[in-house]
Amino acid sequence: DTVVTQTPLSLSVTPGQPASISCKSSQSLLDSDGRTYLSWYLQKPGQSPHLLIYEVSSRFSGVPDRFLGSGSGTDFTLQISRVEAEDVGVYFCMQATYLPFTFGQGTRLEIK
Amino acid sequence: EVQLVESGGGLVQPGGSLRLSCTASGFSFTCCWMTWVRQAPGKGLEWVAHISQDGRSTYYVDSVKGRFTISRDNAKNSLFLQMDSLRAEDTSVYYCVKYLSRALDYWGQGTLVTVSS
Repeated sequence: DTVVTQTPLSLSVTPGQPASISCKSSQSLLDSDGRTYLSWYLQKPGQSPHLLIYEVSSRFSGVPDRFLGSGSGTDFTLQISRVEAEDVGVYFCMQATYLPFTFGQGTRLEIK
Repeated sequence: EVQLVESGGGLVQPGGSLRLSCTASGFSFTCCWMTWVRQAPGKGLEWVAHISQDGRSTYYVDSVKGRFTISRDNAKNSLFLQMDSLRAEDTSVYYCVKYLSRALDYWGQGTLVTVSS
């Protein structure tokens, strides 16, 4: 199975400051169709996860533009340009290039 | 508005069976592959299975192969997960998830399955 490793596992950020989460896969996520299937999710406390970013860098409908996904191959990053209080929760990346689809362990973001 | 509502969770003994259901609304159900994802208490996410639009193609994570069966009834906008030979390690919240372009774009609220004697 493709192993997806997120770092850090937790971070504490002052409102208005940036945050960055890394996601590394054990093999390249570039599919034979030329697309890279790496997505990001946020699970707010007590809620179901919701989609933030798909195919590395495409923001899902309604996602604020302070969320930015980037990367290629095996290395990917989710950046939040200016963290807000509502951004607290656990962030997961997921690869969907290979079956079974696999998630990172999650990164817990808290506000200082 | 897309809505996915799961039901059927509960307490079951090891070796028992349970059938989860998910009723979809707010989108054309036949458009999309559908997925089940689970989350053990306090843990991360695990993709369990998914099924094609017409139900003919299914895929499972190895840990549930031969024990779980994903299916759908497009006439009733419903997704199912038949879970047999349940084990303690299957204890999780199970989410019904809509799948688009290999991303999971809409999630249900989840249903808790507890396997314990």
